[in-house]
Amino acid sequence: NAGVTQTPKFQVLKTGQSMTLQCAQDMNHNSMYWYRQDPGMGLRLIYYSASEGTTDKGEVPNGYNVSRLNKREFSLRLESAAPSQTSVYFCASTRYRGADYGYTFGSGTRLTVV
Amino acid sequence: RKEVEQDPGPFNVPEGATVAFNCTYSNSASQSFFWYRQDCRKEPKLLMSVYSSGNEDGRFTAQLNRASQYISLLIRDSKLSDSATYLCVVNIGNQFYFGTGTSLTVIP
Repeated sequence: NAGVTQTPKFQVLKTGQSMTLQCAQDMNHNSMYWYRQDPGMGLRLIYYSASEGTTDKGEVPNGYNVSRLNKREFSLRLESAAPSQTSVYFCASTRYRGADYGYTFGSGTRLTVV
Repeated sequence: RKEVEQDPGPFNVPEGATVAFNCTYSNSASQSFFWYRQDCRKEPKLLMSVYSSGNEDGRFTAQLNRASQYISLLIRDSKLSDSATYLCVVNIGNQFYFGTGTSLTVIP
C-alpha cells in the first residue's frame, strides 16, 4: 500500500527552467493538495483539488500551475523557476474535503533553484 | 494575522517528563483540528485528531477549547522517540492551515 507517491525526490533547476512535480495516491481519496514548506514559514498551500475535475488556488499560487489528471494524480508545474521557489514540496490527499480525516502526505520533493 | 500560531520552542525535556504544547487559531469557523508530527527531513504524519470533549491516545492527550480558540497537546512520560516537530492543524472549509510547528527534543 504505497499511499501518496511523489517524484522526483530531489531536483536542482536553473533559473528560468521548467519542471513538473508528480503526485499519485492509491487510497481512492477525493481531495489532493500541494504545499510548500520553508523554514520559519510552516506549510503553505499552493493549490488544491477538492475533487476530480476541479482545482483552486491556495495561499501562494503565483508561479505555479496544476493539473488534476484523474482521481489518482495531481501534478504541479513550475513554468519558469525562480530562486524564491527553492523549497520542500509536499503533496497530500484526504478522503473528503474538509472532513475529519486529516491528510496523508507524500515524502516530499526537495527543489533547489540556482 | 496567521490562521494558526504556535510557540516554536525548542522544548528540551528529560526522558520521562511531561510536556505540553499550545496552539491558537484565529477563525471561529474552524471545523476540525489535528496534531501532526514531523521528523527531521520527513513528511508530516497525523498524530491525532482533536475533539471538543478531549481525547487520549496512550501517552498523548489533546484538548480543544473553542471559546478561547486554542488546542493543546500533552505528552506524558516522554520517550527519546518523541523528539520531533509537532504541527497544529486547523481545517476551515476546503483548506487545512498549519502552524509553523513546535520543536521537541527529549534528552536521555
